[in-house]
Amino acid sequence: EVLLQQSGPELVKPGASVKIPCKASGYTFTDYNMDWVKQSHGKSLEWIGDINPNNGGTIYNQKFKGKATLTVDKSSSTAYMELRSLTSEDTAVYYCARSDDYGSLAYWGQGTLVTVSA
Amino acid sequence: DIQMTQSPASLSASVGETVTITCRASENIYSYLAWYQQKQGKSPQLLVYNAKTLAEGVPSRFSGSGSGTQFSLKINSLQPEDFGSYYCQHHYGTPYTFGGGTKLEIK
Repeated sequence: EVLLQQSGPELVKPGASVKIPCKASGYTFTDYNMDWVKQSHGKSLEWIGDINPNNGGTIYNQKFKGKATLTVDKSSSTAYMELRSLTSEDTAVYYCARSDDYGSLAYWGQGTLVTVSA
Repeated sequence: DIQMTQSPASLSASVGETVTITCRASENIYSYLAWYQQKQGKSPQLLVYNAKTLAEGVPSRFSGSGSGTQFSLKINSLQPEDFGSYYCQHHYGTPYTFGGGTKLEIK
């Protein structure tokens, strides 16, 4: 069974950074890209970017360049997204999702709520 | 970036009814269109990819159609578990973008 396990909610101060893990299991981690998606409260979904776990290659949505950094640790089958210089606009649920061969997202983590507040 | 426009934004229907949600792309995306269902407080779940291919385990009452810039998701004989929000997403190159969503509620 494919599982993407994300960490619990984060409360962070404005200007700080947060690093969200996404631990994959049930498949060969390096066979599929990992994507990240943002969902602000009551809003639609925004694609942040994706990473190729095999070579670390990344593609970012221009909107999130400088905000998000995607990395992986192949030894633990874990993908990470670091968000920096956080503001209230970054308060949202962030999902990791496995990208299949076509670019659709067949498996999703449970989401991590990041709340930016002083 | 390719813009995805969904309609309607909200929809009220009864169990047993048939509903259709539409999605329009701002440019030709061929058949690179996916549909997702999201229940309140849960992660999105893939329903359809490549415009008309049902994801594994998705009931046959769901069907996707369209190509180019116009797409639709049809749900036959609505079941109680079908209520929630639905999103389209193009997967024709990055950046992927999603539609604004359709909230399907019980009448």
